[in-house]
This record gives sequence, C-alpha cells and structure tokens, in this order.
Amino acid sequence: GENVEQHPSTLSVQEGDSAVIKCTYSDSASNYFPWYKQELGKRPQLIIDIRSNVGEKKDQRIAVTLNKTAKHFSLHITETQPEDSAVYFCAANPRDSGTYKYIFGTGTRLKVLA
Amino acid sequence: DADVTQTPRNRITKTGKRIMLECSQTKGHDRMYWYRQDPGLGLRLIYYSFDVKDINKGEISDGYSVSRQAQAKFSLSLESAIPNQTALYFCATSDPTQGAGGYTFGSGTRLTVV
Repeated sequence: GENVEQHPSTLSVQEGDSAVIKCTYSDSASNYFPWYKQELGKRPQLIIDIRSNVGEKKDQRIAVTLNKTAKHFSLHITETQPEDSAVYFCAANPRDSGTYKYIFGTGTRLKVLA
Repeated sequence: DADVTQTPRNRITKTGKRIMLECSQTKGHDRMYWYRQDPGLGLRLIYYSFDVKDINKGEISDGYSVSRQAQAKFSLSLESAIPNQTALYFCATSDPTQGAGGYTFGSGTRLTVV
C-alpha cells in the first residue's frame, strides 16, 4: 500500500526566513496531496492541496510543488511568522481511494523564532 | 467551528474497560473516518465509512470497532482498552462532491488508558 515519508521531523527558522518541508510517496497512482496545519491543542486544518495534474500551487505565503516522476512533494512557507509555528502533515490519496482515505506523513514541528 | 463534534474531549479509563468515543457532524457529508494520532507517528486510519451500510477497516483496526448509527453519527469503541491505545483520536468527514477534497476534522478526544 501507499507509504508517505516526511522530513524533517523538526524545523526551526528565524522569523522572516523560508521553511521547506518535504514528503515522498510510494504509490505512483496517488492523485491528490493535501497539507494540514495543526496548532497546539487544536485539530488539523487543511491549508493547501495539489492534484497530480498540477506541478505547483501558491496561496499567498504558502506554496506546494509536486514532482510526479520523483514521487515527492514539498511545502514552502516564505516570510515566516510566529503564527506559522505548528505541526504540519502531508498526505497522499492512494490508488484505491475513491474513498479518499489519506495516508499521512509523520509530521514536521515547525518553530519560528522571533 | 462545531460542525464535527467529538465527545468526550478527554477521558481516562482503566485497562480492560470498554469505552466508546462519539462523533457527530452537521456538514451532511457521507464519508466519515476515525484516525489516531501518536507523537512521531502522524495520523493513522482506524476505520472509515461511506454511508450507514458501509464500514471498512483502516491501517490499524485491531482492538477497535465502529458503528455508523446514522449519516451524521460514527462511533468508535475500544472493546477492552489497553495502555498502548492511549492516544489522541480524531474523527473526520469528507465531501465526495468536492472530488478529492480535504477532510474536516473534529476537535479530538484525548484518551488515556491506565
């Protein structure tokens, strides 16, 4: 079945710098890749997603890139702010998922240092 | 945002006890999911359901059972709780009309088995 690996597990950046979180997936038929942000004590919330027919998507300071050949996708946060501090999860929607039962990465704890 | 509600929010139970975690939603979504979150392991799928007549096992269903009482209600039971079931449990819903759209998560239930 699908396997999603996420790196790094922790990431500290200075306020204003960029942060990049990378994920790889194993099922070449996976077709949808969402990213979730989980603030301390709160539920995960969708922040951006990308479909397999698109190479890049941006939303203000957040962007996601997808390399289908290499089977990896990345989250890019520019001009980081203290409120970006959270745990970020990537996910992939595998081959048999008209069900949309996502497989999640293990999470990246991002700390933005003021 | 109270559209996916989980009860209880926190629960401490003893080894061997049966416990039920409840999830209800007002979003009108057909698809509902139970995930557990453990530090360093991300979110892992326990069970999922397309509708009241459809129940499917996820990655880690052993020791758990579910009931889909209505479109809006999806309960997770631990038949005989054990300490390694101590975790944060999330219910989620999704909307198939959005294609591979994102999940809406509930606020979570923190379960401790002593």
